[in-house]
Parts: sequence; structure tokens; C-alpha cells
Amino acid sequence: EPEVTQTPSHQVTQMGQEVILRCVPISNHLYFYWYRQILGQKVEFLVSFYNNEISEKSEIFDDQFSVERPDGSNFTLKIRSTKLEDSAMYFCATSRGQGTPDTQYFGPGTRLTVL
Amino acid sequence: GENVEQHPSTLSVQEGDSAVIKCTYSDSASNYFPWYKQELGKGPQLIIDIRSNVGEKKDQRIAVTLNKTAKHFSLHITETQPEDSAVYFCAASKRAGGTSYGKLTFGQGTILTVHP
Repeated sequence: EPEVTQTPSHQVTQMGQEVILRCVPISNHLYFYWYRQILGQKVEFLVSFYNNEISEKSEIFDDQFSVERPDGSNFTLKIRSTKLEDSAMYFCATSRGQGTPDTQYFGPGTRLTVL
Repeated sequence: GENVEQHPSTLSVQEGDSAVIKCTYSDSASNYFPWYKQELGKGPQLIIDIRSNVGEKKDQRIAVTLNKTAKHFSLHITETQPEDSAVYFCAASKRAGGTSYGKLTFGQGTILTVHP
């Protein structure tokens, strides 16, 4: 069964450093999402991406965050200058964009630790 | 924006018992309610979902009910087994433009433990 993959599984970085989290969507999926879960809190929506542009973003997704699909297969989340409060589990999700309803499939997540 | 509340935060049952997890939502425009199961080291996996034009949906031992008037929905697991032990999340969404339902708003999660 096709699945969403994410790398790395765990990323440790120093405050102020840039990080890039990578996701490989299921091959025929057209919609891409990033969510995060701070330890002990809810899973929160960050951004959705369709047709090479952001379709929706939350107030968490400020100028420090960016997303792109650099090569038509990977979908990346970049945090330019990490803060301690960015420490969280980051989940990529993808959906086909067809069918009712349009199921979102989640990757295993990347645990980001900012020191 | 939408807010989803989920209860209980932890649930412990004996194998063979039933488990019920409840969620409420705030946005009456929400029309899609999936349930996800998350096992250790894995991402959330969809186990069942319901749309607002349906009051109940069942898939083997799992069922979901929806009360649009009261804005709450529930997950029911019957004949629980140890492998049902996991974290369960409810979520709500509404159709955005195009074909996607857009962002999911999640509840806090319920840690279900099924004792053999």
C-alpha cells in the first residue's frame, strides 16, 4: 500500500539555525499539508499546498516558514531561524483531491528538537 | 475558527469491552469528521470517517455517530482487543474550494489501553 514518507525521523538543531523537513507524497496525490504537534498538545494545521502554491495557512505559519515542491516529488517545510518553541513533531499529509470525501494520509512524522 | 474538544483523554478497558470516545465541534459549517488512530512511532491512520449527511456509519467493530444539532460525534469500538491500544484523534473539516476538504482541526486525542 502506498504511503507518505518523511525524513529525517528526528532532527536536532540549535536555536537560530535553518531546518528543512522533507516529505515524499503518495504518487498521484495533488494536495499536500503540514501539521505539527507540540508535546502534550493537539495536532495543529500549518499549511496546505496545491498546484504549486499555498492554498491555506494558519497564523502559526509566519514568515519563518516556507514550503515548496522543489523537484516534483518531494514536498518540503523550511524553518528559517528556529526557536525553542518550534520543537514539535511535524507531520506531512497528502490527499488525492478526488472522491468524496478526500482522505488525508499522514506520514510518520519528523521530531524536531531545538536546543 | 473551528474548535474540537475530545473526551476522555485516557480510557482503560478490559479486552472484549466496548470503548466510546466523544468529540464536540464549534463550527456548524463543518461537514466531514474523520477518526485517526496513531500507534507508537507512526503517523495518524484513518480508521473511519463520516460526512454530515449521514447520522451513523459502521465498519466491523468500529462505528461513528454524528449529531449535527448538538454538534457532537462519537467513536464506538466494540469487542476491544489489545491491538486496539493506541491514541485516537477525532477531527473536523469543511469543504474548501475545489475537491479538497482542506485543513483538519483535531481534538486532543484519547489514549486507549485495552488490557488482556
